[in-house]
Amino acid sequence: AQSVTQPDIHITVSEGASLELRCNYSYGATPYLFWYVQSPGQGLQLLLKYFSGDTLVQGIKGFEAEFKRSQSSFNLRKPSVHWSDAAEYFCAVGARGGTSYGKLTFGQGTILTVHP
Amino acid sequence: GAGVSQTPSNKVTEKGKYVELRCDPISGHTALYWYRQSLGQGPEFLIYFQGTGAADDSGLPNDRFFAVRPEGSVSTLKIQRTERGDSAVYLCASSFGGEQFFGPGTRLTVL
Repeated sequence: AQSVTQPDIHITVSEGASLELRCNYSYGATPYLFWYVQSPGQGLQLLLKYFSGDTLVQGIKGFEAEFKRSQSSFNLRKPSVHWSDAAEYFCAVGARGGTSYGKLTFGQGTILTVHP
Repeated sequence: GAGVSQTPSNKVTEKGKYVELRCDPISGHTALYWYRQSLGQGPEFLIYFQGTGAADDSGLPNDRFFAVRPEGSVSTLKIQRTERGDSAVYLCASSFGGEQFFGPGTRLTVL
């Protein structure tokens, strides 16, 4: 069964500082990997995704993530955080095939607080 | 263009009552997913439709939960004999073979 672990429940950074949110997954093969962001009262917005190819993927709002198969990780990074980045971030793994194609399994989420 | 919409945005009901939650996917999206997000948790998969049929309903917690998508577009999640533990945000997403686009959710509160 697929699973996702986000070890950090809450992270606080200063505006302008760099950010790394951790994500580890368990999946029987090469997974589809996603990062979503959820602001209070808002729906989930896709930041970036990994399907295949280049293991460093670029997303919206200046975010990037790197797929590391050997570590079963897909950490999210941003070089300089803005106050508007404060939100909850979810890592997810997606099924590649079979009857569960596309089914997403989410991590518990990491709440990001940004100090001015 | 219009995104995924869900109605109602909020639903308050009493224990034991029946509720229906509606999802309008993006036009042309053949796949539709329901998830449930409890407070402080990530979304959990409930059911996946490909067209009109439920391809995977393994996430439905028990037989009080049922979902339909009779014409391959709008879907309704139905919950019978609601319990306080059903309180959560119910999310719907649609896709056309790739990225899932999420709706804003329906917040269900069972008193």
